[in-house]
Amino acid sequence: DTAVSQTPKYLVTQMGNDKSIKCEQNLGHDTMYWYKQDSKKFLKIMFSYNNKELIINETVPNRFSPKSPDKAHLNLHINSLELGDSAVYFCASSSRDSYGYTFGSGTRLTVV
Amino acid sequence: DAKTTQPPSMDCAEGRAANLPCNHSTISGNEYVYWYRQIHSQGPQYIIHGLKNNETNEMASLIITEDRKSSTLILPHATLRDTAVYYCIVRPMMNYGGSQGNLIFGKGTKLSVKP
Repeated sequence: DTAVSQTPKYLVTQMGNDKSIKCEQNLGHDTMYWYKQDSKKFLKIMFSYNNKELIINETVPNRFSPKSPDKAHLNLHINSLELGDSAVYFCASSSRDSYGYTFGSGTRLTVV
Repeated sequence: DAKTTQPPSMDCAEGRAANLPCNHSTISGNEYVYWYRQIHSQGPQYIIHGLKNNETNEMASLIITEDRKSSTLILPHATLRDTAVYYCIVRPMMNYGGSQGNLIFGKGTKLSVKP
């Protein structure tokens, strides 16, 4: 019944590795997002994806790439992980007529 | 950048009303005021939104000043579970495409409800 689900919940990996975080929503929303929350607790939007339109926050390194196999999924792939990528990553979704965004419970990524 | 200003922290006694202020003096005519909260280790949660009229739902009430330059979120009977960071955000309701409608979070107000 979870509206927006992310996997894994925790991810510990070494520098230089490539990893993916999966996100799925069952709300029928047409737009999905990835946010990053760093150690100072600031929530920053990374991407928004609506059908075929991808909006990228210009501060996001190109090592990060969202991949959407269909409207209900927006996965986040990260190449060559760095220590500074350690954070909690939140997926969210919305639609044109939804009151707000629905967020997942987050994926805590730790790069060692 | 966030278009809102909120106090960094507030305390509230359990059972009392929590009144969280927000300034948004540069709000545009097509922008709504949204409130979200983030309980520790969870994703942000939508609370309420409004344009110019006061709004109430099962979670909270939203009072928006007549000039729309500020608003107050009211939790009528705060409980310990309401301890969270509360974010006030202004944005158009509809996603018009591009980045205009994206939800941009500021620093929020850390509300501590104490027994």
